[in-house]
Amino acid sequence: GESVGLHLPTLSVQEGDNSIINCAYSNSASDYFIWYKQESGKGPQFIIDIRSNMDKRQGQRVTVLLNKTVKHLSLQIAATQPGDSAVYFCADHFSGGYQKVTFGTGTKLQVIP
Amino acid sequence: NAGVMQNPRHLVRRRGQEARLRCSPMKGHSHVYWYRQLPEEGLKFMVYLQKENIIDESGMPKERFSAEFPKEGPSILRIQQVVRGDSAAYFCASSPTVDNTDTQYFGPGTRLTVL
Repeated sequence: GESVGLHLPTLSVQEGDNSIINCAYSNSASDYFIWYKQESGKGPQFIIDIRSNMDKRQGQRVTVLLNKTVKHLSLQIAATQPGDSAVYFCADHFSGGYQKVTFGTGTKLQVIP
Repeated sequence: NAGVMQNPRHLVRRRGQEARLRCSPMKGHSHVYWYRQLPEEGLKFMVYLQKENIIDESGMPKERFSAEFPKEGPSILRIQQVVRGDSAAYFCASSPTVDNTDTQYFGPGTRLTVL
């Protein structure tokens, strides 16, 4: 079936370095993608989104890259900080008229001070 | 503008009891979504509701689970005769419209523990 999945379950990064979290999706009909951050004991928090007509979108310290050819999505975090430690989920929305969101398993980002 | 509110934050039930989870969407949001998250796993879609209507319940277990979003008051996720496998975090999200690019805003979740 269609799914959104992540390559790496855990990523350890030195404070100050850049982080890259990857995600693969399988539904070619997906046209809207979101990255969420979930801190321990909290609900997912929106980070950044991208539409399928874009390849790259930048936010504050975060960049999302979309490669539709290989159905790959990545989240880049610049100058990773301890507060970035969390689980990161990618999600895709179907173009079905409403938002049935499919979440990947998630990648746990651990920032080493 | 208050965010999505869920209560209780923690709920403990014994096997066979009923669990009621409540979700108040953000002000102005008329679309509510429920998700379940098992430890160390992603969020699984359960149900999508608009006021007084269930739009998509394809992720809901066929038995014991039900959801509603009345004209007045919060959305309710009801689990009857709970079993240990129901132990999970249940998240509610809301959005203002059904537009495919409208962000869903999540509540803090209700952590259900079944003894």
